[in-house]
Amino acid sequence: AQTVTQSQPEMSVQEAETVTLSCTYDTSESDYYLFWYKQPPSRQMILVIRQEAYKQQNATENRFSVNFQKAAKSFSLKISDSQLGDAAMYFCAYRAAGNKLTFGGGTRVLVKP
Amino acid sequence: DVKVTQSSRYLVKRTGEKVFLECVQDMDHENMFWYRQDPGLGLRLIYFSYDVKMKEKGDIPEGYSVSREKKERFSLILESASTNQTSMYLCASSLWAQPQHFGDGTRLSIL
Repeated sequence: AQTVTQSQPEMSVQEAETVTLSCTYDTSESDYYLFWYKQPPSRQMILVIRQEAYKQQNATENRFSVNFQKAAKSFSLKISDSQLGDAAMYFCAYRAAGNKLTFGGGTRVLVKP
Repeated sequence: DVKVTQSSRYLVKRTGEKVFLECVQDMDHENMFWYRQDPGLGLRLIYFSYDVKMKEKGDIPEGYSVSREKKERFSLILESASTNQTSMYLCASSLWAQPQHFGDGTRLSIL
């Protein structure tokens, strides 16, 4: 079974600084998708960014970017120029063929003004 | 925008009660999902459905059942609620192989 591990329960960052969240996964598949979801206190899960495993280029969405290392099975999220609104739980998720998502345990991001 | 609506934001029930959690989506998605979210464990899949009257067990189906009589509605049923089912429950929907859209969650307490 696939597993997703987020080793950092909580990360703190100063406003305008950069923070990197770690995610590793275990799979025997060669074709899959990886996602980062954000869950603010409102509880709405929001898709931040996604990466197709067959693409070598790292995905970027505005201030959010990933470092995808397929051989190492690592998928980290970098938040640049952190803003107060970035404070939330962040979940890494994996999906192979089909629709089932496997989530990591989450990392809470605190942003200090 | 996709709208996934969960019927209750907070719910308090007693041990042994039959509990229904309702989820409705408005985008004609064929796939619908129920997760529970617990601290440190992330989201775990309970059941999912890829069509009306179809259902598949997820990773933690024990103690739960589901119903999908109409495409837009997916119900999670706790046949006899127990205290270890106190949790946050999240519903999601998607088109096939597309990102899932989530509801706001139901925080369920079983006393």
